[in-house]
Amino acid sequence: GAVVSQHPSRVICKSGTSVKIECRSLDFQATTMFWYRQFPKQSLMLMATSNEGSKATYEQGVEKDKFLINHASLTLSTLTVTSAHPEDSSFYICSARDLAGGETQYFGPGTRLLVL
Amino acid sequence: GQSLEQPSEVTAVEGAIVQINCTYQTSGFYGLSWYQQHDGGAPTFLSYNALDGLEETGRFSSFLSRSDSYGYLLLQELQMKDSASYFCAVRLNTGFQKLVFGTGTRLLVSP
Repeated sequence: GAVVSQHPSRVICKSGTSVKIECRSLDFQATTMFWYRQFPKQSLMLMATSNEGSKATYEQGVEKDKFLINHASLTLSTLTVTSAHPEDSSFYICSARDLAGGETQYFGPGTRLLVL
Repeated sequence: GQSLEQPSEVTAVEGAIVQINCTYQTSGFYGLSWYQQHDGGAPTFLSYNALDGLEETGRFSSFLSRSDSYGYLLLQELQMKDSASYFCAVRLNTGFQKLVFGTGTRLLVSP
């Protein structure tokens, strides 16, 4: 089946630094990718929709200047958490649907961010 | 806003059958999906319903009633490995057809 990868899988950083997370669709092309955040024992909350070649669409309450999204190609989207703070510590998961169609939305393995 | 409600926790024994319900209120509806997530892992796709009725995939079945804004996931012949969190998710028919997740149900299967 289709595979979505994320890198890094785990990152620990100091407060105030920026962290970049990559999301790649390995065997299909995706015009649109989605970024989710999940706090422990909670549901997945959609942060933004990443669109290849254009600006991302952010959900209400998500700061676009803090969570920078770049969708540079049909197989790569990046999420940069700028000036990270301890409250940004969370599980970040990207997701993509195959441009060729289909109902399944594939999820990456997630990136666990811990901000000290 | 979007609202998808699920029971927070369900317990069952091996070999049993369990049903996880999902009621939703969303601004648009394209279909209802179900995902399984083990602790520390990513969600994995289980099933999708766009039309009313029952979809069966092995031990898992999913049901949808669009008129009632309701669906459920049925797990049969439960195994210990089925212990996980289960999420319903509505695919919206607006914008980029984004997927909005339910509150999640933690299933604990005991011997």
